[in-house]
Amino acid sequence: GAVVSQHPSRVICKSGTSVKIECRSLDFQATTMFWYRQFPKQSLMLMATSNEGSKATYEQGVEKDKFLINHASLTLSTLTVTSAHPEDSSFYICSALKDGEKNIQYFGAGTRLSVL
Amino acid sequence: AQKVTQAQTEISVVEKEDVTLDCVYETRDTTYYLFWYKQPPSGELVFLIRRNSFDEQNEISGRYSWNFQKSTSSFNFTITASQVVDSAVYFCALSLANDYKLSFGAGTTVTVRA
Repeated sequence: GAVVSQHPSRVICKSGTSVKIECRSLDFQATTMFWYRQFPKQSLMLMATSNEGSKATYEQGVEKDKFLINHASLTLSTLTVTSAHPEDSSFYICSALKDGEKNIQYFGAGTRLSVL
Repeated sequence: AQKVTQAQTEISVVEKEDVTLDCVYETRDTTYYLFWYKQPPSGELVFLIRRNSFDEQNEISGRYSWNFQKSTSSFNFTITASQVVDSAVYFCALSLANDYKLSFGAGTTVTVRA
């Protein structure tokens, strides 16, 4: 199988606080993971590519100091939304590429972030 | 740049009807992959199929079938004898062979009524 676990599934926080979201590949190694943002009734927007042991690659228009990504092991990537504000409220979803298997991204269940 | 178009925003059918989801793509590369993902109300994206650009064979998996036609740059998806559990948003996506990033279509919301 190829299971990706994302935690938490839902988080509510106060404006100005930081929130960390974890993405774990449970039964495979993933050198590369991706972080997406999805607005209601819209498609997925790629935020960044996370590579184990190196800095993440951010898409144009995504603030790297705002959305900190750490990929410290072959099974875990974290996204930290720093100093969250109401406009950061969204659905964040991660995916992982299974090492040795080309191109198929396996997705987590997503995290619904609400910033008050 | 790559582009994926899903012209149908929403489709509503009655259970047991067939439903076909259209996907048209644009790319200048000759080697690429096409995907379909299902996003049920719970939120996670479920991988359904991957097709590479050199394999135009149609595929059937249970009630699902896919029709890939390079001549029209289309990769359509049909659900036969739809069920309520098929209600979800379906995304078509494309990636290049040398780049794992996915370009997603806007998605088609399928509602199957009992």
